Amino acid sequence: SQQGEEDPQALSIQEGENATMNCSYKTSINNLQWYRQNSGRGLVHLILIRSNEREKHSGRLRVTLDTSKKSSSLLITASRAADTASYFCATDEGGSEKLVFGKGTKLTVNP
Amino acid sequence: DGGITQSPKYLFRKEGQNVTLSCEQNLNHDAMYWYRQDPGQGLRLIYYSQIVNDFQKGDIAEGYSVSREKKESFPLTVTSAQKNPTAFYLCASSIRAGISNQPQHFGDGTRLSIL
Repeated sequence: SQQGEEDPQALSIQEGENATMNCSYKTSINNLQWYRQNSGRGLVHLILIRSNEREKHSGRLRVTLDTSKKSSSLLITASRAADTASYFCATDEGGSEKLVFGKGTKLTVNP
Repeated sequence: DGGITQSPKYLFRKEGQNVTLSCEQNLNHDAMYWYRQDPGQGLRLIYYSQIVNDFQKGDIAEGYSVSREKKESFPLTVTSAQKNPTAFYLCASSIRAGISNQPQHFGDGTRLSIL
């Protein structure tokens, strides 16, 4: 089952610009996580936001969560070429220990 | 360095052949997971294990088998019953089982292709 759906599927920006990716999900959650995947590599955990949190920051990353709209956004500020990767959201379905991943947003940051 | 090691990086399977993908972790994590990733797709859960000698089917377990004889190791066998095995396989682990608010740590994957 595909719980999270990222939007857009692909995003191309210039270095220094901000990148915003969105994730929508269908059922109630306890928390939502964002991961990054460089081409041909495994996923790397970026940030986890709990259902009772609305916003969380980590360095140049800002994540928001709107449980009433069942959506989350990931903002990368002052993007760099090294941010080029695919970004996935993952949710727990009703608190399950299993994560359900979306299809990802492919971000390209042009130097 | 602690982490998850998957091997081999590339693997080729002949018709009717079973192949085994290795996953080893030295993070002392209880839970381990196997995912399949197809091009342009998200990850789909194949099997997961919360503790040694125990594992559960995920969403797409048909044609796959696993074992968890040691805490550090969670090998995945792709059997001949899996008719479309070409994909990128990712192994992951998390500290404890049964708790959703934990990050998962991933290996760098095995790319399996059909000869």
